[in-house]
Amino acid sequence: DIQMTQSPSSLSASVGDTVTITCRASQSIDTYLHWYQQKPGKAPKLLIYGASSLQSGVPSRFSGSGSGTAFTLSISSLQPEDFATYYCQQSFSMTPTTFGQGTKLELK
Amino acid sequence: EVQLVESGGGLVQPGGSLRLSCAASGFTFSSYTMNWVRQAPGKGLEWISFISSSSSAMYYADSVKGRFTISRDNAQNSLSLQMNSLRAEDTAVYYCVRRIAASGAFDYWGQGTLVTVSS
Repeated sequence: DIQMTQSPSSLSASVGDTVTITCRASQSIDTYLHWYQQKPGKAPKLLIYGASSLQSGVPSRFSGSGSGTAFTLSISSLQPEDFATYYCQQSFSMTPTTFGQGTKLELK
Repeated sequence: EVQLVESGGGLVQPGGSLRLSCAASGFTFSSYTMNWVRQAPGKGLEWISFISSSSSAMYYADSVKGRFTISRDNAQNSLSLQMNSLRAEDTAVYYCVRRIAASGAFDYWGQGTLVTVSS
């Protein structure tokens, strides 16, 4: 199985900050990498697909980059509603598709 | 508007069975592959099962293989997960999820249904 490792596991930031979350794959996954946001008690929400494509309706302050084994999710000008847990997912291997362990973004 | 609504969760004893359902609306259900993803309390996301649009292919995570069965009814726009021989470690919120064919991303998620396996 392809292992996905996110860093950091948690992150403290303030409104207006820019933050970056990293996701690394245990083998090359091209750009089959997607990012999700999850708030407590809610289902995950797709933010970025194909490493860098913004899902419809997602604010442009979210951006993704990378290919192969290293990927980043950046959030610029943090808003109060952005404090949540973020997950990466690889779909290069469909079975199983695997997720990172999550990065909790907290308000400083 | 795309909607995925799960039902069927609840408390079940170890070794018991449960059947989850997902009602889909707002899109052409028969054109999409569907998945179940679960999340244990306080933990991350775990993919557990996939079914192709025509039910010709089904896949499972090793953790549920041989115990869980995914199925769909395109005429009724519904997805199901039959869960047998349940274990404490199956306790989780179960999400019905639509998959984008081209990228493999999961673009729509249901609200989830909680399954608790406990005596």
